[in-house]
Amino acid sequence: GAVVSQHPSRVICKSGTSVKIECRSLDFQATTMFWYRQFPKQSLMLMATSNEGSKATYEQGVEKDKFLINHASLTLSTLTVTSAHPEDSSFYICSGDVAGLNNEQFFGPGTRLTVL
Amino acid sequence: AQSVTQLGSHVSVSEGALVLLRCNYSSSVPPYLFWYVQYPNQGLQLLLKYTTGATLVKGINGFEAEFKKSETSFHLTKPSAHMSDAAEYFCAGSTRDSSYKLIFGSGTRLLVRP
Repeated sequence: GAVVSQHPSRVICKSGTSVKIECRSLDFQATTMFWYRQFPKQSLMLMATSNEGSKATYEQGVEKDKFLINHASLTLSTLTVTSAHPEDSSFYICSGDVAGLNNEQFFGPGTRLTVL
Repeated sequence: AQSVTQLGSHVSVSEGALVLLRCNYSSSVPPYLFWYVQYPNQGLQLLLKYTTGATLVKGINGFEAEFKKSETSFHLTKPSAHMSDAAEYFCAGSTRDSSYKLIFGSGTRLLVRP
């Protein structure tokens, strides 16, 4: 149980275009969803936290107008990277948690974004 | 502020040897603590977690970790390494409030030599 999917798994786009990444909890309803960014050989950095139907809460230093997060339902959150640039190339990972499970998060497989 | 520190960015062991990956946390209140494993180009898989109760926590794939409040540590161990254990391991902590945020350590890459 507690499976999270992400789509697409890999995406290559041109500089200046926008890319949308979907995160779905397949067999549970996620109270909260999280978006992380991971650079090569580095740890995960939390970008934002979102609850269904509410505006996302962004971590310090993360541009909310560049990384648009929509949490439409308890099973779906999307991250849109707007006007992508090469420095946005990274591995993006989402997770969802379930109330009452002591803050345990269930992670998606990640999306590799490459901006040319 | 809470932080999680993993000592050693790389650990190399021989197959069959003991695995010890170190994790220390810094917070005024003992947090919830987690160990995750990440294989190349994949998401994170939970190995084990400590919330309350027994301080020795057993996880999947033969891993275990012991919460030591006096040492503010949560080291991960496995008695006998297997080649399939080669991966990146992350220790993470979260506060016991409603923020539900995970703070990750920098990660340790485990290499297993034949």
